[in-house]
Amino acid sequence: QQPVQSPQAVILREGEDAVINCSSSKALYSVHWYRQKHGEAPVFLMILLKGGEQKGHEKISASFNEKKQQSSLYLTASQLSYSGTYFCGTEGDNNDMRFGAGTRLTVKP
Amino acid sequence: KAGVTQTPRYLIKTRGQQVTLSCSPISGHRSVSWYQQTPGQGLQFLFEYFSETQRNKGNFPGRFSGRQFSNSRSEMNVSTLELGDSALYLCASSLSFPGGFYGYTFGSGTRLTVV
Repeated sequence: QQPVQSPQAVILREGEDAVINCSSSKALYSVHWYRQKHGEAPVFLMILLKGGEQKGHEKISASFNEKKQQSSLYLTASQLSYSGTYFCGTEGDNNDMRFGAGTRLTVKP
Repeated sequence: KAGVTQTPRYLIKTRGQQVTLSCSPISGHRSVSWYQQTPGQGLQFLFEYFSETQRNKGNFPGRFSGRQFSNSRSEMNVSTLELGDSALYLCASSLSFPGGFYGYTFGSGTRLTVV
């Protein structure tokens, strides 16, 4: 039931782009994205709802393919502050929320 | 406004003992979820409570239990501790069940070490 994230880790230079993918084996009602910096709590970035409505972070975007049960997080023109571990959380039709194992993103100067 | 408060922040226990962790959600939030975080495993779902009722439970043994009080505060209990229970335990609250339109707000966690 836990969604699968890819890649597990990625290293970027400032200004480069990255895509993080999240895939589930079950039908999804919504997908959440969170970022966790080392030693801190995960912080909510955005939610994507079935039907296309989205609410979240102004500098990071995401897509949600309901038919494929997949979501992708897009980080463009990355900044040093983007470094951290990104988690996707998937909500199924039975109202359960499960998180992936995380993608560690490192942005270097 | 105050965030999600988890106490204690750090805990060291001996195998076989039991432990109780506490979580105070953001004022007005009625849903509280608990997660176990270990390196490489991400956030493993333990359970979620809404209005004092357990709505969902993850795949953890019966040694893990929880409850929610009328003021939405929640406690998690682990009995007969094992070395493998060493982890960061995160609590998250939200306005509605399960995550709501504004997602979850996580606490800083309780770092449990079992020796």
